[in-house]
Amino acid sequence: EADIYQTPRYLVIGTGKKITLECSQTMGHDKMYWYQQDPGMELHLIHYSYGVNSTEKGDLSSESTVSRIRTEHFPLTLESARPSHTSQYLCASSEFDRVAGNTIYFGEGSWLTVV
Amino acid sequence: AQTVTQSQPEMSVQEAETVTLSCTYDTSESDYYLFWYKQPPSRQMILVIRQEAYKQQNATENRFSVNFQKAAKSFSLKISDSQLGDAAMYFCAYRSPLRDDKIIFGKGTRLHILP
Repeated sequence: EADIYQTPRYLVIGTGKKITLECSQTMGHDKMYWYQQDPGMELHLIHYSYGVNSTEKGDLSSESTVSRIRTEHFPLTLESARPSHTSQYLCASSEFDRVAGNTIYFGEGSWLTVV
Repeated sequence: AQTVTQSQPEMSVQEAETVTLSCTYDTSESDYYLFWYKQPPSRQMILVIRQEAYKQQNATENRFSVNFQKAAKSFSLKISDSQLGDAAMYFCAYRSPLRDDKIIFGKGTRLHILP
């Protein structure tokens, strides 16, 4: 089992509210990622980080922001949630390790519904 | 830029039968990693199998095996003796071994297991 955790798992919030999705990993991985995925659909990379104080936007434009102050922690924040933000958000982490095969480990996901 | 294509949005297989999921990719690199991930409904994305491009031998993990054709840029997943628990979305993924890499996912194939 991968040691990567996301909270909350499920959340329903009102439009205009601020929300932070938490993601933590205990594997010491430098690389962390946030993906957005609608049910049964493809993954879209929205943010990634290669280490502390490193954050980059992904392929899909997102109104969310991220921070990486500690290696193990990669929270995602929506300042003002809208119904279009309703989706599943997947956090992932990886190490750059040729021996380990560069496997990406995923959290269980955070299902966000904005009403 | 690298791309990953899964041409079968959905597939069905009878329980205990064998099914093959297709994946093709496009890259100019000679060294890379390929993965198959499984995402059961409302559950965590987990690694099924991994293949290093420099290895000619096809990877196998119990009932799961791949047919890696490097020249054809094909990476299909074969599931033998299909079980009800195999029902899930399956994602093919490509990863470059370079340090500043991103992981490219296909759009997924939904696999149904018929009892």
